[in-house]
Amino acid sequence: KNEVEQSPQNLTAQEEEFITINCSYSVGISALHWLQQHPGGGIVSLFMLSSGKKKHGRLIATINIQEKHSSLHITASHPRDSAVYICAVFTGNQFYFGTGTSLTVIP
Amino acid sequence: KAGVTQTPRYLIKTRGQQVTLSCSPISGHRSVSWYQQTPGQGLQFLFEYFSETQRNKGNFPGRFSGRQFSNSRSEMNVSTLELGDSALYLCASRSTQGAWGYTFGSGTRLTVV
Repeated sequence: KNEVEQSPQNLTAQEEEFITINCSYSVGISALHWLQQHPGGGIVSLFMLSSGKKKHGRLIATINIQEKHSSLHITASHPRDSAVYICAVFTGNQFYFGTGTSLTVIP
Repeated sequence: KAGVTQTPRYLIKTRGQQVTLSCSPISGHRSVSWYQQTPGQGLQFLFEYFSETQRNKGNFPGRFSGRQFSNSRSEMNVSTLELGDSALYLCASRSTQGAWGYTFGSGTRLTVV
């Protein structure tokens, strides 16, 4: 059983669409992270959450600790948002990762 | 400000050999963590070092080991390589323990033949 589950696995959207990626986890966590990985392997840290909601530009991340669920939203999506988005949770002594959501935004 | 530097970028090794990968963190960052990424298992956490001490460890066999030097540079060693060790190995650094702000390196692509 995976400690972190993401959905959907793959997502294709038209430019300007509002996108939601979901993450559910089964372990107790001290923080949840959203990562972005572009083709070629480079990983960028987008958000760290322990409660509530954070916004950075067109990206919004929310977390519900009671429901053990987080969402990553992208408003007004753009082709440059095409990447794999990975949810990761930190339990206090190690990380668990989701399998990622591959997003393709079509012009 | 230089980013996280991993060397080498690509490596081909034979089963049974050992390999050492290097990670130079961002200047001033004292924490370095290592991750394995494979198509089948995705990203998995290997271990984290902070001020030369291993702080956290994932669920990998003892063949995987690491260390951190006084200048915060870190090395990861894999002994008795297996075909399944073929992966992208990523390291990340951050300034203080307990905080995010991780910066990832570009990774070392290891192929075991």
